[in-house]
Amino acid sequence: DVKVTQSSRYLVKRTGEKVFLECVQDMDHENMFWYRQDPGLGLRLIYFSYDVKMKEKGDIPEGYSVSREKKERFSLILESASTNQTSMYLCASSPKNEQYFGPGTRLTVT
Amino acid sequence: GEDVEQSLFLSVREGDSSVINCTYTDSSSTYLYWYKQEPGAGLQLLTYIFSNMDMKQDQRLTVLLNKKDKHLSLRIADTQTGDSAIYFCAEHSGGSYIPTFGRGTSLIVHP
Repeated sequence: DVKVTQSSRYLVKRTGEKVFLECVQDMDHENMFWYRQDPGLGLRLIYFSYDVKMKEKGDIPEGYSVSREKKERFSLILESASTNQTSMYLCASSPKNEQYFGPGTRLTVT
Repeated sequence: GEDVEQSLFLSVREGDSSVINCTYTDSSSTYLYWYKQEPGAGLQLLTYIFSNMDMKQDQRLTVLLNKKDKHLSLRIADTQTGDSAIYFCAEHSGGSYIPTFGRGTSLIVHP
C-alpha cells in the first residue's frame, strides 16, 4: 500500500512565525503536491513538484514556498504565517495519474 | 479553465442506493476518478475509469461514464452509515500532471 505521511495532524502557530509542513511518501513517486482545503472552496493547488529540486506554482502560491531535496520528501513553508492561512493542508503523491493523499495537517494561525 | 461540477449535498436512507453525479468540461479528459474523504482525514482513491470505458463495477460501487455529455456518476449500492463522507470527482488528461477536482459532495446516510 502507498503510504503518505504528514509531520503533524494539528498545528497552532502565531502570526508572523515561519512554519514548516513536511510530507513523506514511500513509493518512489515522481510527483508530489501541496493543496489547501477550505469549506466551500474545495481543494486548491499551492505547489507541485515533478522531480527532485523541481517545483511549479499552482493556483495559490502567494505566501508559500516549497522544498524538495529528496525524492520522498516535499516540504511546504509558510515564510510568515498569517491568519488567512488557517486551513487544512493536504499533501499528495502520484506516480503519473492517480493521487495518493496524506492524512492532512489542520493549521491554525492565531 | 477546465471545470468539474458536483452537487454539494446528498442525503439517503441506510440500505438505499446513492448516486453522486459529476459533470466536467475538458473534452480531452483521459482519466476520471472518485475519491472519498472521511471527517478529519485525507482523500482516499475509491475508483477510477478510463475515458474509453462506459462502466466499471467494483463490489458495491458502479461508475458510469457518458463521454458525450461529459457526465460521470458513482452509484453506491446498499449504502451504509460508514459511507457518510465527502466524495470528490476528479479528471485529468494524459498530458498533465495535475487533476482538476470538483468541490465535493457530502453524502449523509441516515437510519
